Amino acid sequence: KAGVTQTPRYLIKTRGQQVTLSCSPISGHRSVSWYQQTPGQGLQFLFEYFSETQRNKGNFPGRFSGRQFSNSRSEMNVSTLELGDSALYLCASSWLHREADTQYFGPGTRLTVL
Amino acid sequence: DAKTTQPPSMDCAEGRAANLPCNHSTISGNEYVYWYRQIHSQGPQYIIHGLKNNETNEMASLIITEDRKSSTLILPHATLRDTAVYYCIVRNQGGKLIFGQGTELSVKP
Repeated sequence: KAGVTQTPRYLIKTRGQQVTLSCSPISGHRSVSWYQQTPGQGLQFLFEYFSETQRNKGNFPGRFSGRQFSNSRSEMNVSTLELGDSALYLCASSWLHREADTQYFGPGTRLTVL
Repeated sequence: DAKTTQPPSMDCAEGRAANLPCNHSTISGNEYVYWYRQIHSQGPQYIIHGLKNNETNEMASLIITEDRKSSTLILPHATLRDTAVYYCIVRNQGGKLIFGQGTELSVKP
């Protein structure tokens, strides 16, 4: 079974631009979560989607948004990019969104904001 | 607001067992303990999880104390490829994993 895939793998943007990242979950998984990893803050939860609905949200500004499609694929969008948004963005999928459902991570998208 | 405490770093000799401790003294009855590891700049890799009982899979064993306030991840025969940051996570809110700083394990020849 194929793992979680994320596109693109690397991205360079400039301040003020917006960016959209894509995540395809493991086949059959219906829950997708997004995380941001920076050297200073570590791995932080952004949000979780299940059945096209946002189920949980981390402590990030409204510039960070996401959505999930009927095929469970998910996108996240960051508007008005800031230098501090440079990070590794990770997507994880699980079958459902219960505590016992293991999340499997993709390889991440490395975003650099200049 | 991580709910776990791990040593920042540990060393282990290749071929020996690596025992990684984790304290989660405020864990409640319905919270699972998950372990992931991350090799530099890759996505975290799931290792094992448990609720109350000890667990074993092809990668590792998880020993949870009877009071559930601490656990130990055991890699039975560490190899150089096991060098990574290991995260212990207490999970109680559906899809939300709260990562702490983890333990940086160095396996040395």
